[in-house]
Amino acid sequence: DAKTTQPNSMESNEEEPVHLPCNHSTISGTDYIHWYRQLPSQGPEYVIHGLTSNVNNRMASLAIAEDRKSSTLILHRATLRDAAVYYCILRFRGSGAGSYQLTFGKGTKLSVIP
Amino acid sequence: EAQVTQNPRYLITVTGKKLTVTCSQNMNHEYMSWYRQDPGLGLRQIYYSMNVEVTDKGDVPEGYKVSRKEKRNFPLILESPSPNQTSLYFCASSTLTSGRNSYNEQFFGPGTRLTVL
Repeated sequence: DAKTTQPNSMESNEEEPVHLPCNHSTISGTDYIHWYRQLPSQGPEYVIHGLTSNVNNRMASLAIAEDRKSSTLILHRATLRDAAVYYCILRFRGSGAGSYQLTFGKGTKLSVIP
Repeated sequence: EAQVTQNPRYLITVTGKKLTVTCSQNMNHEYMSWYRQDPGLGLRQIYYSMNVEVTDKGDVPEGYKVSRKEKRNFPLILESPSPNQTSLYFCASSTLTSGRNSYNEQFFGPGTRLTVL
């Protein structure tokens, strides 16, 4: 099964960009790359996802390496509310037609310094 | 409001006393899943379900049961809880579309903190 590797923790100053890396060297061609985050005392929430091309949405940008073995979540201007654990997740086909699983890594704890 | 609800939010019980944690979603999602979260281990999937009467094991299914008799509900059952099942549990749901451009954001509940003494 394809796994992800992320740094345990990162720090950022408020209002500065943050680049959160993720390695997934055993990713298969059909695996989507998802990012979720978990704010303190809450369930995870979706941030962004992609397959091959870079993606942008209102929350963040996702940069995917050409060989797809790594990706980077970019928060353009970190705010205090962005302090959370960020999970890089690969979605792959599980057992049974149409099924899939999300395998969470341990995530990166992002601290935002005022 | 679209949401995933879990009950109870907090539960303290004793070893061997059967318990059920309920999960309900109001978004007509086909896919539902249970995770447990432990310090240093991140979130690990316990069971998931693609639709009514269709369930499958996740990464850590031992000691747990699930059922999916209705689309909106996906209860997690601990027949004989043990202290190593003390954890924070999350239920999640999503649509289940397939294909190259499919996208299935998972919506998570608020969590159930379980302590087994």
